[in-house]
Amino acid sequence: QLQLQESGPGLVKPSETLSLTCTVSGGSISSSGYYWGWIRQPPGKGLEWIGSISYSGNTFYNPSLKSRVTISVDTSKNQFSLKLSSVTAADTALYYCARHGGGGNFWTYYFDFWGQGTLVTVSS
Amino acid sequence: QSALTQPASVSGSPGQSITISCTGTSSDVGGYNYVSWYQQHPGKAPKLMIFDVNIRPSGVSNRFSGSKSGNTASLTISGLQAEDEADYYCSSYAGSSTALFGGGTKLTVL
Repeated sequence: QLQLQESGPGLVKPSETLSLTCTVSGGSISSSGYYWGWIRQPPGKGLEWIGSISYSGNTFYNPSLKSRVTISVDTSKNQFSLKLSSVTAADTALYYCARHGGGGNFWTYYFDFWGQGTLVTVSS
Repeated sequence: QSALTQPASVSGSPGQSITISCTGTSSDVGGYNYVSWYQQHPGKAPKLMIFDVNIRPSGVSNRFSGSKSGNTASLTISGLQAEDEADYYCSSYAGSSTALFGGGTKLTVL
């Protein structure tokens, strides 16, 4: 069974860069052409798609965050990562990594496997 | 891009049917047959319940169904059960390889 696990610092200072990694187990990040994405959920609020990447490094980002987001992939470690720069308190959220449904090297808009999420708090 | 609009809360009694709406624009919900729905229990990750408007992934109960008319998509849950109590989120393709979520709806089973 495919599993995704987020990891990274739980506390980041304002203006610094948030860095998270998602480790995929139970399957290869390179198989079947799936895209892999990041989604966040501020406390008590709704979901927001951040961006996505393919195993070959093709990326798509939420236009509202694009200037601050970088997503990368390391197929040798079966991981993909998120960097969000110049963070503020508004970036405090539960950050999820997830697999896009469908596969076949096509980006899709929905997610069929999710990690459990990791809470990142932005505070000095 | 603005979040899709969902009612903050809906409720129903066991055995009843409820419908959750998700309203967007012609640039997202109305422009494509690409709407998905997620169920999220407290402290848990979202679970995909419906994609492409009305397709259920393997293992999802047929009590869950989806539809769309114009700029509004809907999730209907029939034969309401206690375990259906959760938050529900819609999501839509929004063009140019972007995805948009709704604000979420809290379902209470009375």
